[in-house]
Amino acid sequence: TQTVSQSDAHVTVFEGDSVELRCNYSYGGSIYLSWYIQHHGRGLQFLLKYYSGNPVVQGVNGFEAEFSKSDSSFHLRKASVHWSDSAVYFCAVSADYGNEKITFGAGTKLTIKP
Amino acid sequence: GGIITQTPKFLIGQEGQKLTLKCQQNFNHDTMYWYRQDSGKGLRLIYYSITENDLQKGDLSEGYDASREKKSSFSLTVTSAQKNEMAVFLCASSMNTGQLYFGEGSKLTVL
Repeated sequence: TQTVSQSDAHVTVFEGDSVELRCNYSYGGSIYLSWYIQHHGRGLQFLLKYYSGNPVVQGVNGFEAEFSKSDSSFHLRKASVHWSDSAVYFCAVSADYGNEKITFGAGTKLTIKP
Repeated sequence: GGIITQTPKFLIGQEGQKLTLKCQQNFNHDTMYWYRQDSGKGLRLIYYSITENDLQKGDLSEGYDASREKKSSFSLTVTSAQKNEMAVFLCASSMNTGQLYFGEGSKLTVL
C-alpha cells in the first residue's frame, strides 16, 4: 500500500520569496508522483508529475519538483512566489504507472504575505 | 478541452436519507474517481472505476454506493446520511497517466 505525507500543514512566506513544500512517500516499488493546487472553493488542478527520467520536473507557473529515491521525497519548489500562489497544495502518489488508485496527502496551505 | 460537471453543486439532506451525487465527463477518459474532502483536510478515496460497469473500493467506501453505467458518468450514493455531516465530494477522471482532472465539487450538508 502506498502512503504519502506532507509534514507542513501551513507555510507562510512573503511575495517574491522562494518556497519549498515537502512531500514524502512510502512504497517499495516504482512510484508515480504528482502535485496539485486547490484554490479556495475550487476543485484541484494538476501542476506536474514524475515517473522516471530527470528527477527534476517542471510544471506550470514556475513550479518545479525534485524526486529523491534515497529520501523518498518529492518536494515542490518555486523561486519567487506571487500572491496568486496562495492555495492548498496536495502531493499524490500511485504505485505504478497506470495504476489507477491515487492517494493524496493531507495538503499544505500556502499563504503569501504582501 | 474537456470538462467535468458535478451535480448538484450543493446538496442538503436529512439524517438517514439516501442522497445521490452525479458526475459527467466529456474527456472520454477511462477511469473516474470519487473523493471526499472534509473541511481543511486532505482527500480520501471513496470509489473509483477503471471502465464502464467496473467499481473499485477506495479507503472510505463504507456507507457509500457507486454506479458507472456509462463511460462518461459516475454517480455516488450516500446510503444513509449522518447528522451534522458536512463535506465536499470531488469527482475526477483520468486516462491512466497519473494526471487527474477534477470537477468543482459538491458540498453536502446534513441537518
